[in-house]
Amino acid sequence: AQSVTQLGSHVSVSEGALVLLRCNYSSSVPPYLFWYVQYPNQGLQLLLKYTTGATLVKGINGFEAEFKKSETSFHLTKPSAHMSDAAEYFCAVTGQVGSGYSTLTFGKGTMLLVSP
Amino acid sequence: KAGVTQTPRYLIKTRGQQVTLSCSPISGHRSVSWYQQTPGQGLQFLFEYFSETQRNKGNFPGRFSGRQFSNSRSEMNVSTLELGDSALYLCASSFDFRGGTGELFFGEGSRLTVL
Repeated sequence: AQSVTQLGSHVSVSEGALVLLRCNYSSSVPPYLFWYVQYPNQGLQLLLKYTTGATLVKGINGFEAEFKKSETSFHLTKPSAHMSDAAEYFCAVTGQVGSGYSTLTFGKGTMLLVSP
Repeated sequence: KAGVTQTPRYLIKTRGQQVTLSCSPISGHRSVSWYQQTPGQGLQFLFEYFSETQRNKGNFPGRFSGRQFSNSRSEMNVSTLELGDSALYLCASSFDFRGGTGELFFGEGSRLTVL
């Protein structure tokens, strides 16, 4: 079984401050991990993904995440928040090829609020 | 390249009715997945189709069904609607989503309100 826990349903930061959105996963197989962003009244857009290889993954809009197997974490960070980053962020997990998992399991989401 | 198109974007139904939602995947994508998004339960997987075959199914009652056509377009149907079916239904396509090797591209969703 797989599960994703996102700590904090809402995170508030000031413009220019560090963004840190936390994600911990549980998986019985080596995971593939994803971060998606959802703007109001829109679908989900992929920010970045970890499959294999380098554990520090860079994505779009200046976001990056680090896969830490020992901590079962995949936290999302951005050095300097912008007003346009205000959205809901979802962490998701699935299994690697051959693991039998072929669907995404999502966390509950974290709403990022950015104040001027 | 056109994205994933879902129709209708918004609809209102009453309890007991049925609804059909449509999804046109990105050209060339053969896998279509459906997710239900609600404030309480978050994003939950409904089913995935690949080459007209249901390859995976989530934990939803039989009132929820779907199908995929030879052109990869997909529909999902919910019969005997309940208030709890009010949700945003998201469709996502991929060339072949297996174990995350294929990125999922999401449509903007169909927002269903059941009165």
